[in-house]
Amino acid sequence: AQSVTQLDSQVPVFEEAPVELRCNYSSSVSVYLFWYVQYPNQGLQLLLKYLSGSTLVKGINGFEAEFNKSQTSFHLRKPSVHISDTAEYFCAVSGQDDYKLSFGAGTTVTVRA
Amino acid sequence: GAGVSQTPSNKVTEKGKYVELRCDPISGHTALYWYRQSLGQGPEFLIYFQGTGAADDSGLPNDRFFAVRPEGSVSTLKIQRTERGDSAVYLCASSLGDGGYTFGSGTRLTVV
Repeated sequence: AQSVTQLDSQVPVFEEAPVELRCNYSSSVSVYLFWYVQYPNQGLQLLLKYLSGSTLVKGINGFEAEFNKSQTSFHLRKPSVHISDTAEYFCAVSGQDDYKLSFGAGTTVTVRA
Repeated sequence: GAGVSQTPSNKVTEKGKYVELRCDPISGHTALYWYRQSLGQGPEFLIYFQGTGAADDSGLPNDRFFAVRPEGSVSTLKIQRTERGDSAVYLCASSLGDGGYTFGSGTRLTVV
């Protein structure tokens, strides 16, 4: 079984500032990793995913994440945020032979002008 | 369809009643998943279908919960004798089995 810990429950940030959302996972098998965004009253939208290959993954809306196997981390970053990035962000993991996703508790990002 | 469609978007029901939540996946997606998201938490896995069969139902909390996918497309999540603790957003996702999921907007269930 896999589990995910999102280390920050809330992250306030000013517009045009950088942001990093931290995610650590636990698994006894090789994993796939995901970041999802959820805007108010909407479903989950995939930001990016790591399946294999380069450990630096680029996603939509200027987000990127880096897979660090030795530290079992998959932190999400954006160099300059916009007001529209205000949302809930979820890190998720699945085993490579099991597509069942395990989610973290989420990080609420609030971008202020 | 273009995306995963879930109906209804909102459902309010009285404690003890039976409810059905529907998920219409992306055409051609063989894998279908149900998740439950309680307030302030991440989604939790309920059940996974591959085609018509439930490949993994280990996340269903108890025998009041049941899901079907009779023709390998539309799925219905059924909850009997609803309890206030069942109140949550129920999310459906579909996939081609390649590690990419598409989630629906969810059904917000409120048991009063």
